[in-house]
Amino acid sequence: GAVVSQHPSRVICKSGTSVKIECRSLDFQATTMFWYRQFPKQSLMLMATSNEGSKATYEQGVEKDKFLINHASLTLSTLTVTSAHPEDSSFYICSARDGGHSYEQYFGPGTRLTVT
Amino acid sequence: AQSVTQPDIHITVSEGASLELRCNYSYGATPYLFWYVQSPGQGLQLLLKYFSGDTLVQGIKGFEAEFKRSQSSFNLRKPSVHWSDAAEYFCAVGANTGFQKLVFGTGTRLLVSP
Repeated sequence: GAVVSQHPSRVICKSGTSVKIECRSLDFQATTMFWYRQFPKQSLMLMATSNEGSKATYEQGVEKDKFLINHASLTLSTLTVTSAHPEDSSFYICSARDGGHSYEQYFGPGTRLTVT
Repeated sequence: AQSVTQPDIHITVSEGASLELRCNYSYGATPYLFWYVQSPGQGLQLLLKYFSGDTLVQGIKGFEAEFKRSQSSFNLRKPSVHWSDAAEYFCAVGANTGFQKLVFGTGTRLLVSP
């Protein structure tokens, strides 16, 4: 089956630093990847949609200069949280859509970000 | 824009009893509907999905869901719950245009009592 990995699974960083999270589709080509944020005991909120080779589309209220998304290849998307603050602490989950099977998204295991 | 409502925040079911988790959606066209399960600190696992055709869909782990257009519902059911089913369950609706992004409900936490 389609597998999506995320790295790292957990990261702790200091306030003001930047942290990069990778999302990889391991056995398929992902024309579209999605980044979600999940607060404790809450639902997933879509942050942005990224298509390979083009700029990401951000949801309303998501700061594009703070959450930098790059989708440089068909198997890799990265989310960089710039100048992180404690309120950015959250669980970040990516998903990838298989270009050959357009309706299903495969989710990564998530990355727990803690900003101290 | 699509939206999803999961009216039950928590549900407790005895092991071996039947389960039904409710999901109502709002979308102007025929929706794509999904149920996902999430264990603590983990990503999401797809239980089942509905795109078209038979309105009763079978999924993994003995789950099934029925799409009822007249009620805008896609309730998840399981005839006999196991302790390992305790988790958070999310219903999601996908647009059938554009990037086909998903909108998730707020989730229902299932607790299984012995």
